[in-house]
Amino acid sequence: GENVEQHPSTLSVQEGDSAVIKCTYSDSASNYFPWYKQELGKGPQLIIDIRSNVGEKKDQRIAVTLNKTAKHFSLHITETQPEDSAVYFCAGPFGNEKLTFGTGTRLTIIP
Amino acid sequence: GAGVSQSPRYKVAKRGQDVALRCDPISGHVSLFWYQQALGQGPEFLTYFQNEAQLDKSGLPSDRFFAERPEGSVSTLKIQRTQQEDSAVYLCASSLMGNQPQHFGDGTRLSIL
Repeated sequence: GENVEQHPSTLSVQEGDSAVIKCTYSDSASNYFPWYKQELGKGPQLIIDIRSNVGEKKDQRIAVTLNKTAKHFSLHITETQPEDSAVYFCAGPFGNEKLTFGTGTRLTIIP
Repeated sequence: GAGVSQSPRYKVAKRGQDVALRCDPISGHVSLFWYQQALGQGPEFLTYFQNEAQLDKSGLPSDRFFAERPEGSVSTLKIQRTQQEDSAVYLCASSLMGNQPQHFGDGTRLSIL
């Protein structure tokens, strides 16, 4: 199956600083890349997604960049706030409707 | 509410018992997915429906797992003769159609004693 590597597995950031999480994949046919945020006891919440016809997408403090040649995509969170603390997952359909998830990044914002 | 609803939120069963988990997708969503999430890991695909048709069940771990969506709306995931390794959070997601954003419920946490 598709292999998705996500780094780092844990990330601690001072409040107000930026956080970057990166995922790499191997299936060049993939064309849709969502990011999910999961808080304790909750289901994954879609926070941003990107399709392969664009290289970057922004939504307020959150942005996603895609490099199809290098087969990696990254989540950028600027001006981090305590409520950004959660586990973040990258994912992709990689040619199918079902999602394959990365291994997750536990983000902690230090007040 | 307008989101995906799952019930029960928590289920405790003894090894060997059968369990049934329910998912109410977002109204009008054609596609419905079940995922299994072990502690500390990402969700893993179990099965996929388009309306009432089960198009992919390649992720179901054994023939003890069975899913249905008879009227193309509500879905039930059934696990027969539960084992301890079945303990996990079972997540349901729905999307307007295939390859559209998937929206998740809060899951059912299943514990097998």
